[in-house]
Amino acid sequence: DAGVIQSPRHEVTEMGQEVTLRCKPISGHDYLFWYRQTMMRGLELLIYFNNNVPIDDSGMPEDRFSAKMPNASFSTLKIQPSEPRDSAVYFCASSLRGEETQYFGPGTRLLVL
Amino acid sequence: GENVEQHPSTLSVQEGDSAVIKCTYSDSASNYFPWYKQELGKRPQLIIDIRSNVGEKKDQRIAVTLNKTAKHFSLHITETQPEDSAVYFCAASSYGQNFVFGPGTRLSVLP
Repeated sequence: DAGVIQSPRHEVTEMGQEVTLRCKPISGHDYLFWYRQTMMRGLELLIYFNNNVPIDDSGMPEDRFSAKMPNASFSTLKIQPSEPRDSAVYFCASSLRGEETQYFGPGTRLLVL
Repeated sequence: GENVEQHPSTLSVQEGDSAVIKCTYSDSASNYFPWYKQELGKRPQLIIDIRSNVGEKKDQRIAVTLNKTAKHFSLHITETQPEDSAVYFCAASSYGQNFVFGPGTRLSVLP
């Protein structure tokens, strides 16, 4: 298996623009997690899905952030409008029901100017 | 909700020495405790995990201990090598959900 796939790997955008991050979980995994990592705040869980359904989005910073999982093999995290403080590395991870090991994707490094 | 604390924030050891990183958690319902290693610019990767029905688990030079009563768990690395240098994160979750990571420990193994 190719593992968790994320795109793009790097994104540079200007403040106010819409940003869409994409994730393909490991085939067969039914949990998907979105994390944000910064030096100041560490690794923060933003939202997670089980069987494509959002279970807990309490970590989503504000209404500018939204996430969807239209099917078992694809999820998006959208920021609209983006702000400089959104600059971070965003990781997607997936895990298999009955096992708790999370497998992380390579991350998307986002820079908002 | 769950709160995970991790100490120390930075740790330097001489090559060949042991390193110990400690974490505490607050939610008694947590039953799964993984440890992740993150090298610079890379993704976090699981190195070892322990479940609440086990007190200790070992994998070669790495071991994890869990004290459920005190709500703390520790990572032990023996015979450290330069390639062990990385940031280590502990985490706690309840049945694979509500994952909360600790703030991380930057380990430096000095040659």
